[in-house]
Amino acid sequence: AQSVSQHNHHVILSEAASLELGCNYSYGGTVNLFWYVQYPGQHLQLLLKYFSGDPLVKGIKGFEAEFIKSKFSFNLRKPSVQWSDTAEYFCAVNTGRRALTFGSGTRLQVQP
Amino acid sequence: NAGVTQTPKFRVLKTGQSMTLLCAQDMNHEYMYWYRQDPGMGLRLIHYSVGEGTTAKGEVPDGYNVSRLKKQNFLLGLESAAPSQTSVYFCASSSKGTGGKERGYNEQFFGPGTRLTVL
Repeated sequence: AQSVSQHNHHVILSEAASLELGCNYSYGGTVNLFWYVQYPGQHLQLLLKYFSGDPLVKGIKGFEAEFIKSKFSFNLRKPSVQWSDTAEYFCAVNTGRRALTFGSGTRLQVQP
Repeated sequence: NAGVTQTPKFRVLKTGQSMTLLCAQDMNHEYMYWYRQDPGMGLRLIHYSVGEGTTAKGEVPDGYNVSRLKKQNFLLGLESAAPSQTSVYFCASSSKGTGGKERGYNEQFFGPGTRLTVL
């Protein structure tokens, strides 16, 4: 069975700092990868997704992620965070008809 | 389009009580899912459905039952609530994958969640 690891549980940054959140998965076959964001009090929203092709994926709000197959990783990046990026971020993997497998989430706190 | 809606938004139950959570989607999606979200554990799949009249167990199905009598609705039932079922419950839906393959590759759309407390 696949699993997803997010090693950063809580990240605190100042505005304008750069962000990189780690995501590693365990599955040897074809995967589809997602990053979701959950702003305080809101439901999950899709930030970006990778199905195939260019391993560098750009999403909404200036986020991007890079799929590195050899490292089983799909790290999320943003060059300069804003206070409004304060949220919880979830990496997720899909390997077939079953639903997504989520990581445990990373809580990002951006200080003004 | 309302997207994915859930009722109720909040509920407090006593141990042993039963309840049903309703999820509705107006996007004509084939697949629907129920997750629970607990601190430090992300979202875990309870049950899912790949079409009307079909359901399947997910990662944490014990203590829950589901039904999908209509394509747009997916009900989650707790027959005898326990404190361990205190959680936030999210419903999601997605369309079939493209290219003629029945792969759940597509984006899942989530509802606003139901916060359930079992005393």
